[in-house]
Amino acid sequence: QVQLQQWGAGLLKPAETLSLICAVYGGSFNDYYWSWIRQPPGKGLEWIGEINHAGRTNYNPSLKSRVIISLDTSRNQFSLRLTSVSAADTAVYYCAREKAYCSGGNCLNWFDPWGQGTLVTVSS
Amino acid sequence: SSELTQDPAVSVALGQTVRITCQGDSLRSYYASWYQQKPGQAPILVIYDKNNRPSGIPGRFSGSSSGNTASLTITGAQAEDEADYYCNSRDSSGDRVIFGGGTKLTVL
Repeated sequence: QVQLQQWGAGLLKPAETLSLICAVYGGSFNDYYWSWIRQPPGKGLEWIGEINHAGRTNYNPSLKSRVIISLDTSRNQFSLRLTSVSAADTAVYYCAREKAYCSGGNCLNWFDPWGQGTLVTVSS
Repeated sequence: SSELTQDPAVSVALGQTVRITCQGDSLRSYYASWYQQKPGQAPILVIYDKNNRPSGIPGRFSGSSSGNTASLTITGAQAEDEADYYCNSRDSSGDRVIFGGGTKLTVL
């Protein structure tokens, strides 16, 4: 049973850099995408970006200029860095494992498991 | 298109059946997955691969898909099913993940 545990600073000032780490227990990085997703208070889920086992990344275009997702296979961890944060970046941040593939003319994807979430507040 | 549209709120009487829908162009090529989120908790997967349930998800949860619409059905809704529900797929290019805006389910 794969489990994700995440941590990082919960209070930032505007213009600082958000850094979060997600540790993967009980599984390897192969055959999956590893994503960061956030949820502003009272709002819906927003995908930030992903990395696969080969280090290939995809990012939400709205955040791409400020985001770096990286992989540390020796520690079984992946991480998120979001630069130049503002109050609009205040949210609960989740890490999650995604399976995605196409077969027989249909494609599918799903996220399971998820990390416990980290509330990041940006305030001066 | 890279959007998934859900009704913001739906209600159901205890023990009755409710359908939550999700519309988007990507659903013509992607089967949606569905997540339940209760206040203060991380989302949990309830349906994937059109109509598969992870271990531990009750059989009253089911999924279906037709054209550009995916549906999550709860047959015999229970009080503990009151939650926010999100659909998810990738966009038609396959390079980006998209979520619906979420549906708040109230069990009356």
